[in-house]
Amino acid sequence: SQQGEEDPQALSIQEGENATMNCSYKTSINNLQWYRQNSGRGLVHLILIRSNEREKHSGRLRVTLDTSKKSSSLLITASRAADTASYFCAPIAGGTSYGKLTFGQGTILTVHP
Amino acid sequence: GAGVSQSPRYKVAKRGQDVALRCDPISGHVSLFWYQQALGQGPEFLTYFQNEAQLDKSGLPSDRFFAERPEGSVSTLKIQRTQQEDSAVYLCASSWQPGAGYEQYFGPGTRLTVT
Repeated sequence: SQQGEEDPQALSIQEGENATMNCSYKTSINNLQWYRQNSGRGLVHLILIRSNEREKHSGRLRVTLDTSKKSSSLLITASRAADTASYFCAPIAGGTSYGKLTFGQGTILTVHP
Repeated sequence: GAGVSQSPRYKVAKRGQDVALRCDPISGHVSLFWYQQALGQGPEFLTYFQNEAQLDKSGLPSDRFFAERPEGSVSTLKIQRTQQEDSAVYLCASSWQPGAGYEQYFGPGTRLTVT
């Protein structure tokens, strides 16, 4: 299945530092989405990048997409303790008629105050 | 409503019992998804509805799992004769249109524990 694989599995940084998480996938995509999950809560959509886009920004978030390498990265700048969460990428396979999300294990980000 | 709601938030069932988990999507959202999330894992797709039609149930782990959305709004996921391996968080998500290019709004989940 078209599952995103996040790397690293865990990341620990100090408040104010930048955090970068990577995602790799296997086949062509329609788009790729990033979600955040705080402990014990549902997922929150962060950003969607389409296959013909290379970079997208939303506030302190920057997502890049390299379809030739089948990879994406999520950069969080000037991190805050509230950014502590698990982050998942979900590639949506090309030719898909609806947005079935397939997640990897995610990256657990811990931001220390 | 303001977001996707799910009930109950927590459910403890004895092995062999039947359970029913409810999802209230955002009003007017056409697409509805159910996911299962085991501890320490990412969510896994169970099933998809477009309005009242169940278009994909390929992720349902066994015939003990059944989902419905009879009027194209509220959905219920039913698990018959629960087993310990069914213990997980069940997440519901909705999006306002069908198609692959829309974000999904997730509910808080129902944590099912089978003893």
